[in-house]
Amino acid sequence: EIVLTQSPGTLSLSPGERATLSCRASQSVSSSYLAWYQQKPGQAPRLLIYGASSRATGIPDRFSGSGSGTDFTLTISRLEPEDFAVYYCQQYGSSPKWTFGQGTKVEIK
Amino acid sequence: QVQLQESGPGLVKPSQTLSLTCTVSGGSISSGGYYWSWIRQHPGKGLEWIGYIYYSGSTYYNPSLKSRVTISVDTSKNQFSLKLSSVTAADTAVYYCAGGVVGAMTYDYWGQGTLVTVSS
Repeated sequence: EIVLTQSPGTLSLSPGERATLSCRASQSVSSSYLAWYQQKPGQAPRLLIYGASSRATGIPDRFSGSGSGTDFTLTISRLEPEDFAVYYCQQYGSSPKWTFGQGTKVEIK
Repeated sequence: QVQLQESGPGLVKPSQTLSLTCTVSGGSISSGGYYWSWIRQHPGKGLEWIGYIYYSGSTYYNPSLKSRVTISVDTSKNQFSLKLSSVTAADTAVYYCAGGVVGAMTYDYWGQGTLVTVSS
């Protein structure tokens, strides 16, 4: 089973600042199958990034993804008030097919 | 735009079977090209993938839950369903139905989620 470890657990930043979130896999992950989601309280997750670096439909360009192999990064270039949320990385591949990281909470400092 | 909506009991007794249904609108389950899944989130925790079904009926389950899970599809009603047997308090969670496009292997479409509590 591929385990995804996200860091930090919580990121305290101010609006306008840059956020850098990390997702590390226990084994190599195909870049084609690494995604990022945003979840706000009481809501379902929303797909942000697929294929490690492609933005999903309607996602602002302040969100960007990068990485390969076992190390992936989600960057939010300038935090807007609506970006404070929990972010999850997800991989598709080996059993159990889809796994998620434990999440990084981006909170207002 | 594809929309999903979960339905089912919010309270289930220990040892019983949890049953949920997801109704898909804005698209046909039987049109192919999509997979349909159940994902759960324990209170205050992360996301756990339960399993998926393809419109043809083929399924794949998380090995950690495989012995207790059944996912089925009813193309005539444009619905897919989850059954989780022998539930315990550890199965208390928000259950999401979700769908994605074959190829990208992401979850593009999500229901709003439904909280299922296991308690006597």
